[in-house]
Amino acid sequence: NAGVMQNPRHLVRRRGQEARLRCSPMKGHSHVYWYRQLPEEGLKFMVYLQKENIIDESGMPKERFSAEFPKEGPSILRIQQVVRGDSAAYFCASSLDSGQSEQFFGPGTRLTVL
Amino acid sequence: GESVGLHLPTLSVQEGDNSIINCAYSNSASDYFIWYKQESGKGPQFIIDIRSNMDKRQGQRVTVLLNKTVKHLSLQIAATQPGDSAVYFCAETHYGNNRLAFGKGNQVVVIP
Repeated sequence: NAGVMQNPRHLVRRRGQEARLRCSPMKGHSHVYWYRQLPEEGLKFMVYLQKENIIDESGMPKERFSAEFPKEGPSILRIQQVVRGDSAAYFCASSLDSGQSEQFFGPGTRLTVL
Repeated sequence: GESVGLHLPTLSVQEGDNSIINCAYSNSASDYFIWYKQESGKGPQFIIDIRSNMDKRQGQRVTVLLNKTVKHLSLQIAATQPGDSAVYFCAETHYGNNRLAFGKGNQVVVIP
């Protein structure tokens, strides 16, 4: 049973470009979470999605960031017009149920903005 | 609120010794706590969890202690092995909330 998959693992963008990060949850999981990790810090929650619905986006910046989890295909975290401060590791997690259900994390996408 | 770390506290431990990692949380409403292990270049890996109706839970070589009075959580690793070298994070959430709030990481370095 494959775990949470993320791609690309490393992404380099120039300021002003768009970054698109993909996450495929574990098989059977319909709950997806995105977190951001700055160097030497803990993970910070960004957004929680179920299929075709954004449930909680309280941790996501209002501008330039968007997320989706379509009926078919992976969840996408999109960052438009990237700035250097967006450089971080972005982790996706998935869970079987909502609430206090174990979240399984993917390997992350490391975004570097030049 | 969530803590923001500047430099990771580091625990150096001799192989075979026991390790204790501490975590303070701030949200009194939190009732579910998890310890994660993160190796370099990888995502966090679940170690053990505990709910607020317990004060101690044991797993394989690991024990988590919860003190709700002082909002303190600890992870004990018995007979630490080189493979235990990693950054350890505590995370908290509460009923009805799906997002995890992570604490500052603690770096554990096992000396062979």
